[in-house]
Amino acid sequence: DAGITQSPRHKVTETGTPVTLRCHQTENHRYMYWYRQDPGHGLRLIHYSYGVKDTDKGEVSDGYSVSRSKTEDFLLTLESATSSQTSVYFCAISDAGARRNTIYFGEGSWLTVV
Amino acid sequence: EDQVTQSPEALRLQEGESSSLNCSYTVSGLRGLFWYRQDPGKGPEFLFTLYSAGEEKEKERLKATLTKKESFLHITAPKPEDSATYLCAVQAPGGSEKLVFGKGTKLTVNP
Repeated sequence: DAGITQSPRHKVTETGTPVTLRCHQTENHRYMYWYRQDPGHGLRLIHYSYGVKDTDKGEVSDGYSVSRSKTEDFLLTLESATSSQTSVYFCAISDAGARRNTIYFGEGSWLTVV
Repeated sequence: EDQVTQSPEALRLQEGESSSLNCSYTVSGLRGLFWYRQDPGKGPEFLFTLYSAGEEKEKERLKATLTKKESFLHITAPKPEDSATYLCAVQAPGGSEKLVFGKGTKLTVNP
């Protein structure tokens, strides 16, 4: 198993509150990603990071922010949670730099916004 | 825009009944095509990466193939434990390493 730990694994929060999901890796991989998975949409990229303090937006980044202050940690923040952000969130990591890389996923964080 | 379409959406097989899952894609300059398996309540589990047309990879009862427009995941003599959702994703050129996913095929293998 790739060394990826997501926390919390399950959370219920109220509309309008801020929420932070954490992804921690022990592989020292350069790239880290946050995806969300919803029925009928598959996995969609929210934000990704290509190094410490280097981040960029994915296709569904509105309402989300990220930070990466250390190689091993990538935080996803919902600044003011909405019901449309109820989803399963997956962190992924990649050993980019190698010519042929593999992208590994964590076990997911289930978020319910009520 | 890069697109990935998987078919069928769902597939039911009897144990031992071989079949194939399809992943068709449109991307300029494919860097890699990925197959993942996902069990309910779990994260995607990496299976294969294919990089060029004609490439094939195998793992137990699974064999993935790649052409310039699509990939197939062949399942030979499946067992109930092969039941899962199979996800296909493509990686486009550039430095981000990010993936574009299809919606998956849910495979059920009945004993």
